[in-house]
Amino acid sequence: EPEVTQTPSHQVTQMGQEVILRCVPISNHLYFYWYRQILGQKVEFLVSFYNNEISEKSEIFDDQFSVERPDGSNFTLKIRSTKLEDSAMYFCASIGQLYEQYFGPGTRLTVT
Amino acid sequence: AQTVTQSQPEMSVQEAETVTLSCTYDTSENNYYLFWYKQPPSRQMILVIRQEAYKQQNATENRFSVNFQKAAKSFSLKISDSQLGDTAMYFCAFVIIQGAQKLVFGQGTRLTINP
Repeated sequence: EPEVTQTPSHQVTQMGQEVILRCVPISNHLYFYWYRQILGQKVEFLVSFYNNEISEKSEIFDDQFSVERPDGSNFTLKIRSTKLEDSAMYFCASIGQLYEQYFGPGTRLTVT
Repeated sequence: AQTVTQSQPEMSVQEAETVTLSCTYDTSENNYYLFWYKQPPSRQMILVIRQEAYKQQNATENRFSVNFQKAAKSFSLKISDSQLGDTAMYFCAFVIIQGAQKLVFGQGTRLTINP
């Protein structure tokens, strides 16, 4: 069964450093997403991506964030200069035919 | 505004019992899908069940079923014959079928199944 994959599973970085989180969505899906979950809180939408461009972004997704689909399979989230409050679980997702979103296993980002 | 409210932060039942998790939502849109996701300690988000808003019939998936009341904007999840493996956070969510189709999540209910 096809699945969304994410790497790395855990990333530790120092405040101010750049991080790139990587995702491989399900191959025939067209919409891709990044969500964030701060520990103990709900899952929050960051950005959606369709046809090689951002279709919607949340207030959280400020100038420090960017997304890219550099080739036909990878989908990346870059945080340019990490802050302590960026520590969270980051989920990539892609949408199926019946609007259900399939989530990757997540990348746990720890900013120290 | 589009919001989801889960009024039960935590619930606990004995194995084999039936438990119902509550969810209400708010949207002015008419075309949407509703979902329940399970998040075990591994933090993976697992789709449990899906309901199309245009369907009156409640969705069922093995031991999981929903009670969808569109007029009341209520979407509760019933777990029958609960098992230890059902212990997890459960999130209610919906997606509007237009635009970015982003998921809007509730705060979650932490469900513990006791042996």
